[in-house]
Amino acid sequence: NAGVTQTPKFRVLKTGQSMTLLCAQDMNHEYMYWYRQDPGMGLRLIHYSVGEGTTAKGEVPDGYNVSRLKKQNFLLGLESAAPSQTSVYFCASRGTANTGELFFGEGSRLTVL
Amino acid sequence: GQQVMQIPQYQHVQEGEDFTTYCNSSTTLSNIQWYKQRPGGHPVFLIQLVKSGEVKKQKRLTFQFGEAKKNSSLHITATQTTDVGTYFCALGGSARQLTFGSGTQLTVLP
Repeated sequence: NAGVTQTPKFRVLKTGQSMTLLCAQDMNHEYMYWYRQDPGMGLRLIHYSVGEGTTAKGEVPDGYNVSRLKKQNFLLGLESAAPSQTSVYFCASRGTANTGELFFGEGSRLTVL
Repeated sequence: GQQVMQIPQYQHVQEGEDFTTYCNSSTTLSNIQWYKQRPGGHPVFLIQLVKSGEVKKQKRLTFQFGEAKKNSSLHITATQTTDVGTYFCALGGSARQLTFGSGTQLTVLP
């Protein structure tokens, strides 16, 4: 019962470096999401995907790119990391559009120095 | 886009006291979900409400959806230390994305 798996769980970057966060789900879900969580601000949607090969912008997409080449994987990329991107990132998936619970990964804590 | 206000931001209660968090939307909702996040953990789904005026119970937790489908509440009766965490509402609308409230952080003092 892996569910949603995120890698890495922790990462420290220097300003300007790039990195990719990987999200993998084994529930055959169509919809996948990347959120960031900052103190007092809840969960803010970065990008999401409604199926293989499709992506869409969420509330805070600037500075991030995503790809969904395979149905089970959703990648979040930071091309040039900035200190403002220090956050905890959560990936989530669900099977249907307007109903159905979100299944979250355990989170990836990113620090940008 | 959808706007959501969740109050209070923080709540400290003595063990055994009741707790309520409220979620208000600027638009009519198709559904609303509630999640709990333990300290250091990830959000976990609690329930989904779909019908106007709906009330659902899970043991000591009572969830309500307003008649106008613009607000919701989560009430915990006789809190326990295991209830500690942050409770989020998540709004479902016509779009495929969920909009989360800012959460209510519950502390239960023994």
